[in-house]
Amino acid sequence: SAVISQKPSRDICQRGTSLTIQCQVDSQVTMMFWYRQQPGQSLTLIATANQGSEATYESGFVIDKFPISRPNLTFSTLTVSNMSPEDSSIYLCSVEVPRGPTDTQYFGPGTRLTVL
Amino acid sequence: DAKTTQPNSMESNEEEPVHLPCNHSTISGTDYIHWYRQLPSQGPEYVIHGLTSNVNNRMASLAIAEDRKSSTLILHRATLRDAAVYYCILRDVGRDDKIIFGKGTRLHILP
Repeated sequence: SAVISQKPSRDICQRGTSLTIQCQVDSQVTMMFWYRQQPGQSLTLIATANQGSEATYESGFVIDKFPISRPNLTFSTLTVSNMSPEDSSIYLCSVEVPRGPTDTQYFGPGTRLTVL
Repeated sequence: DAKTTQPNSMESNEEEPVHLPCNHSTISGTDYIHWYRQLPSQGPEYVIHGLTSNVNNRMASLAIAEDRKSSTLILHRATLRDAAVYYCILRDVGRDDKIIFGKGTRLHILP
């Protein structure tokens, strides 16, 4: 298993500013993921972040808007840049942990972002 | 990831069994069936997974149809704490490591 913490847990920001969200894991993991969950919706994958390589972004998400760092095997950051009210969401990080022949993901508690 | 189909919502009475269905008619031979759930104001959590045989753990049971085109997550005795959105997901880790979430089933538990 893995225990994941995120900072901040919530924030209220002004449009045009940027916020960096931190994700800390209690063990070394290869694969980390960042998701967005808009109000009342399911989770949408933003990008996959592997240590030592550039993040891989899903369709509709770009590095300039959501730059990601992965400096080591226990930590990652997601920045939401030049925010607008449409960026108001919960942002979650997750990690992949081997579980026999398949893998499972463990999720952080999320960062609730409100953009005014 | 292959597509799954789940009912949008279900209701169940407290302390009764709950059967949450999932259809995955295009499942491939190497797809594992995973279930996650998301409690209110929390991130998703792993529930159970299986390939062909039925599976049991302390949280739930997973019943997989013989043709693997459908499966059912069984909560043997629902409590109020089981009210959550339940996601049925197919994963072929040999092809892709990422999870793509569908809309899931919102389970309401009636006291």
